[in-house]
Amino acid sequence: DVKVTQSSRYLVKRTGEKVFLECVQDMDHENMFWYRQDPGLGLRLIYFSYDVKMKEKGDIPEGYSVSREKKERFSLILESASTNQTSMYLCASSPGGGEGAHYYEQYFGPGTRLTVT
Amino acid sequence: AQTVTQSQPEMSVQEAETVTLSCTYDTSESDYYLFWYKQPPSRQMILVIRQEAYKQQNATENRFSVNFQKAAKSFSLKISDSQLGDAAMYFCAYRPYNNDMRFGAGTRLTVKP
Repeated sequence: DVKVTQSSRYLVKRTGEKVFLECVQDMDHENMFWYRQDPGLGLRLIYFSYDVKMKEKGDIPEGYSVSREKKERFSLILESASTNQTSMYLCASSPGGGEGAHYYEQYFGPGTRLTVT
Repeated sequence: AQTVTQSQPEMSVQEAETVTLSCTYDTSESDYYLFWYKQPPSRQMILVIRQEAYKQQNATENRFSVNFQKAAKSFSLKISDSQLGDAAMYFCAYRPYNNDMRFGAGTRLTVKP
């Protein structure tokens, strides 16, 4: 089974702190994603990566950056945390590289509930 | 913009009965993928079912099946013989071939014993 792990389930940070959220997948997937989940808004894509050292902006990249130095690891960075970044953050990965829905179904981590005070 | 609409924020079903969750999407593409995901309370999001748009046959996974109406851009999920463990948030997702996945806002399903 694919396993996607995230470094913390719950995190409390202060306004202005730099925050690192780590995500690791163990199935050699090409694609990795960071989403933010808020009630009534579904999942919104922050950043994604189709390969090592590559990154693409999603719908809401402002205030965030990412790093993918190794294929299995995708980090989300909040440069200066603000209260409006209080949310659930979900990491996901997908195999990519082919045709067929199974190449693009996403496998999710357990999520990190971040509170910024 | 390609969007996914789940018109039912909340649904309720009696145990052992059948429930259908609605999903519509907006697209000008002819080839794409569709998914339903389940997120149980405080647990990981998992895939329920997937469908390729070029396949006319509706996907089925045990008690879960879809009604895919390509012309109507509709992709509803039917859960038969509902169980207590089916209680969760359900998200519909759409992915065109050359773009990112788009999720709906979700439907919270309650299963009554």
